[in-house]
Amino acid sequence: EDKVVQSPLSLVVHEGDTVTLNCSYEVTNFRSLLWYKQEKKAPTFLFMLTSSGIEKKSGRLSSILDKKELFSILNITATQTGDSAIYLCAAIKAAGNKLTFGGGTRVLVKP
Amino acid sequence: EAQVTQNPRYLITVTGKKLTVTCSQNMNHEYMSWYRQDPGLGLRQIYYSMNVEVTDKGDVPEGYKVSRKEKRNFPLILESPSPNQTSLYFCASSLSLRLAGHEQFFGPGTRLTVL
Repeated sequence: EDKVVQSPLSLVVHEGDTVTLNCSYEVTNFRSLLWYKQEKKAPTFLFMLTSSGIEKKSGRLSSILDKKELFSILNITATQTGDSAIYLCAAIKAAGNKLTFGGGTRVLVKP
Repeated sequence: EAQVTQNPRYLITVTGKKLTVTCSQNMNHEYMSWYRQDPGLGLRQIYYSMNVEVTDKGDVPEGYKVSRKEKRNFPLILESPSPNQTSLYFCASSLSLRLAGHEQFFGPGTRLTVL
């Protein structure tokens, strides 16, 4: 059975801190990994990672995939209160385009 | 405006009363999908569709049906809802997941309560 596990479950930081979120996966025929941010309702897309070792960046957020060790990390530097959200990762299979999501990491950034 | 719409946004119903949650996208996307989100369980895929008349089961399809008669619409049908289907439901679409870099766009969610 395919499995995606995120850690930690939740964390509380102060503005300016750096956070690192983990996503490990056990997915047959793995193709890509997605990261989403969910604030109040619908998740919004952050990154799609397909190749191992290539960092993707968007402002203060960055992410990298390790296909040998089967995990991805999402880093947020110089955190702001607006970064408070649930961060979700999902693995896409090569065949069939089925997605498996992790349980999410809840991040709270305090002023 | 490019978007995914869902209706209704909130629904309280009783066990056994058939219901349909509609999903529509105006982006000419091939891929559409339904998820349910429950505390501690994250998002779980119910069904997905890679194009018109092509649907496949996700991880939790039991108790649900879908159809894809037109590209823009992907309704979720609960023939006989039960309390364990009380959840927050999201519809999502993307141009095509076969092409790297194509993100999914999510609808606003439907909060369903089955009494």
